[in-house]
Amino acid sequence: DTGVSQNPRHKITKRGQNVTFRCDPISEHNRLYWYRQTLGQGPEFLTYFQNEAQLEKSRLLSDRFSAERPKGSFSTLEIQRTEQGDSAMYLCASSHPRGHNYGYTFGSGTRLTVV
Amino acid sequence: AQSVTQPDIHITVSEGASLELRCNYSYGATPYLFWYVQSPGQGLQLLLKYFSGDTLVQGIKGFEAEFKRSQSSFNLRKPSVHWSDAAEYFCAVGGGTGFQKLVFGTGTRLLVSP
Repeated sequence: DTGVSQNPRHKITKRGQNVTFRCDPISEHNRLYWYRQTLGQGPEFLTYFQNEAQLEKSRLLSDRFSAERPKGSFSTLEIQRTEQGDSAMYLCASSHPRGHNYGYTFGSGTRLTVV
Repeated sequence: AQSVTQPDIHITVSEGASLELRCNYSYGATPYLFWYVQSPGQGLQLLLKYFSGDTLVQGIKGFEAEFKRSQSSFNLRKPSVHWSDAAEYFCAVGGGTGFQKLVFGTGTRLLVSP
């Protein structure tokens, strides 16, 4: 069990640029989640995959955000035309196939700074 | 709608003293409750969880939490705090069969004084 891996750890980008983050879940976990955490707040749910299917999206996930999990393994989160309000920590988590009973395992996150 | 309230933004505790972090939740059915800890710049680590059964739950690092349905609370406790416990603590609620997401509180930052 190597844990949930997120890359990059930090990203600084200029407003208007596109960015993409990657998440590699624990290998036997078929559920994968993206959360966003802004300064002084708890994580907020963005979206959820079961295998390759994206089953739920938050209203926080505007049209500029897109997430994929093409083969049911790693996932990417892309933000197009970044805005300063997108600056946040983006957290990925995965969970066991038997579901929430085992709790999520979170990655260390990708901190995005939009300048 | 689900919600979690952590009324204390910051708490300072002397090393060796006991700790209690408060968490109140709102959920229409039987909740599943979690406590996570986050060190600066890091992801979240699960301390403990409650789904059913014994209302006193033991977790890692000597933490425990008690589920009180009548008070809609799930407070986290530790009998003797260590300097390494300084971090941000988040309470979260989820529930129902096949739920997909957790709702987190805004967190409590724990400071440990010598």
